[in-house]
Amino acid sequence: AQSVAQPEDQVNVAEGNPLTVKCTYSVSGNPYLFWYVQYPNRGLQFLLKYITGDNLVKGSYGFEAEFNKSQTSFHLKKPSALVSDSALYFCAVRAPGSARQLTFGSGTQLTVLP
Amino acid sequence: DTEVTQTPKHLVMGMTNKKSLKCEQHMGHRAMYWYKQKAKKPPELMFVYSYEKLSINESVPSRFSPECPNSSLLNLHLHALQPEDSALYLCASSQANSGEKLFFGSGTQLSVL
Repeated sequence: AQSVAQPEDQVNVAEGNPLTVKCTYSVSGNPYLFWYVQYPNRGLQFLLKYITGDNLVKGSYGFEAEFNKSQTSFHLKKPSALVSDSALYFCAVRAPGSARQLTFGSGTQLTVLP
Repeated sequence: DTEVTQTPKHLVMGMTNKKSLKCEQHMGHRAMYWYKQKAKKPPELMFVYSYEKLSINESVPSRFSPECPNSSLLNLHLHALQPEDSALYLCASSQANSGEKLFFGSGTQLSVL
């Protein structure tokens, strides 16, 4: 079975400060990991993914995520938050070679305060 | 064109109505998906079409009936829905049925009265 946990329902950060949105996963084998963002009244937008290679993955809008195999984590980070980053963020995992589709985390609402 | 287009954006229907949701993509993707999403919750997979054939049905009630007329179009036919079916219905596509990098439409916000 595969699963992903986002331990924080809500993250608040001041504009200009660094932000971190946490994600841990459980999957057999090496995981495919993803971050998606959802703005109000919109569908999900792909931010970045980790398949293999460098543990630090860079994505859209200045976001990056670090794959940590020993801690089974894939936290999303940005050095300097913008008010426009306020949205709902979903981490997702899939086991490679599996017929199973993506498993999404419960989501973290990020609010960047001006 | 990197968009997935869904129509209508909003739909209100009674429990005896029949309606259809439509989804279109022109990215040459061969996998298309329907998800259901409640407010502030993760999307829940309903159906997956791979090369125009239904490959996954996540035990969805028969009042939801998917259809894939061709590689660019995906429909979701609705009949005799319940108020608890009110949700945002999202269509997505990907290059193949690999589950990678899904492209989502903006969704249809459905209200069942």
